[in-house]
Amino acid sequence: GDSVTQMEGPVTLSEEAFLTINCTYTATGYPSLFWYVQYPGEGLQLLLKATKADDKGSNKGFEATYRKETTSFHLEKGSVQVSDSAVYFCALTKAAGNKLTFGGGTRVLVKP
Amino acid sequence: DAGITQSPRHKVTETGTPVTLRCHQTENHRYMYWYRQDPGHGLRLIHYSYGVKDTDKGEVSDGYSVSRSKTEDFLLTLESATSSQTSVYFCAIGAPTSGSDEQYFGPGTRLTVT
Repeated sequence: GDSVTQMEGPVTLSEEAFLTINCTYTATGYPSLFWYVQYPGEGLQLLLKATKADDKGSNKGFEATYRKETTSFHLEKGSVQVSDSAVYFCALTKAAGNKLTFGGGTRVLVKP
Repeated sequence: DAGITQSPRHKVTETGTPVTLRCHQTENHRYMYWYRQDPGHGLRLIHYSYGVKDTDKGEVSDGYSVSRSKTEDFLLTLESATSSQTSVYFCAIGAPTSGSDEQYFGPGTRLTVT
């Protein structure tokens, strides 16, 4: 079946550092790929998405590129802030209406 | 934020008791989903609904049932709660018939079964 693998956290960074969270997937066909973010005590918010190979999703300074050849969708941000402290989830779906398949989540802690 | 509310937000219950969680949306989205979140597992689909009275099982549906009598409400029932059902439960909505594959999540319900 489909699966998503993320790097295990926690990832601890200083403010203004560069953030990378690795995500790889296993799925047949051409899934859509997502990054969701969960702030403490809240639900998941859609951060960005990409629907086909070589697409780049971006939002709030975060970026991720859909790499079909390496089945990856790594999340990056050039300069993190304390407010970026959260849990980040990589996910995929095979089609609209289908379930989302999630990775285990990566906790990021940004220190001032 | 999408108009999704969940109630209750926190609940503690005893093993063997039935529990019902409610999800309410104001977006008129056709699809609704229940997921559970457990450490190391991300979120896993319990059940979903693709219309009023139309529901189907997800990957972790044992011990759960759902009902959808109106577009805006999707209920999740734990028929006889067990400690393994201690988790955070999230409702999500989607509108695939409009061409979107995105899902939007509610704030979650933290359930503890003692």
